[in-house]
Amino acid sequence: KAGVTQTPRYLIKTRGQQVTLSCSPISGHRSVSWYQQTPGQGLQFLFEYFSETQRNKGNFPGRFSGRQFSNSRSEMNVSTLELGDSALYLCASSATSGASTDTQYFGPGTRLTVL
Amino acid sequence: GIQVEQSPPDLILQEGANSTLRCNFSDSVNNLQWFHQNPWGQLINLFYIPSGTKQNGRLSATTVATERYSLLYISSSQTTDSGVYFCAANDYKLSFGAGTTVTVRA
Repeated sequence: KAGVTQTPRYLIKTRGQQVTLSCSPISGHRSVSWYQQTPGQGLQFLFEYFSETQRNKGNFPGRFSGRQFSNSRSEMNVSTLELGDSALYLCASSATSGASTDTQYFGPGTRLTVL
Repeated sequence: GIQVEQSPPDLILQEGANSTLRCNFSDSVNNLQWFHQNPWGQLINLFYIPSGTKQNGRLSATTVATERYSLLYISSSQTTDSGVYFCAANDYKLSFGAGTTVTVRA
């Protein structure tokens, strides 16, 4: 089985722009979760989508949004980029909703730099 | 949410040495995972271990759920074991510890 894929792998944007990141989960997995990793805050949960519905959301401003398509692929969007949005964005897939009793598998990440 | 603490924050080992990484969590959990983050940033699954003991080659892990801690053992360490090790516990999401940075010297 192919693993979790994320595109693009690297991205450079300037303040005020918006960006869209994509994540394709493992075939058959219906849950996609997004995490942000920064040196200062570590790994933080952004949101989770399951069967095209947002199930849970972390403590991030409304500039961060996402969606999931019928094929389980997910996108996250960050509008009005700020310097502090520079981070590694990781997505994880699992077969069932939430991280509760199921292994989560992570993609290689998208490294976003905001200038 | 669940609080996760890892210790030590940094570990320097000579190749061939054994080591133990610890993860404490603040509440009972249904899911406890250990990851190794490679130099390119990807989180590689090591163990899904909400309780009990598992082994995979030179790595093994034990979770004592009633006492809210998990241990990751690295035996006969190799330079390729270098990197950051994270444990993560869940309520509705994975809550990560700050990680243990392991450096194995040849």
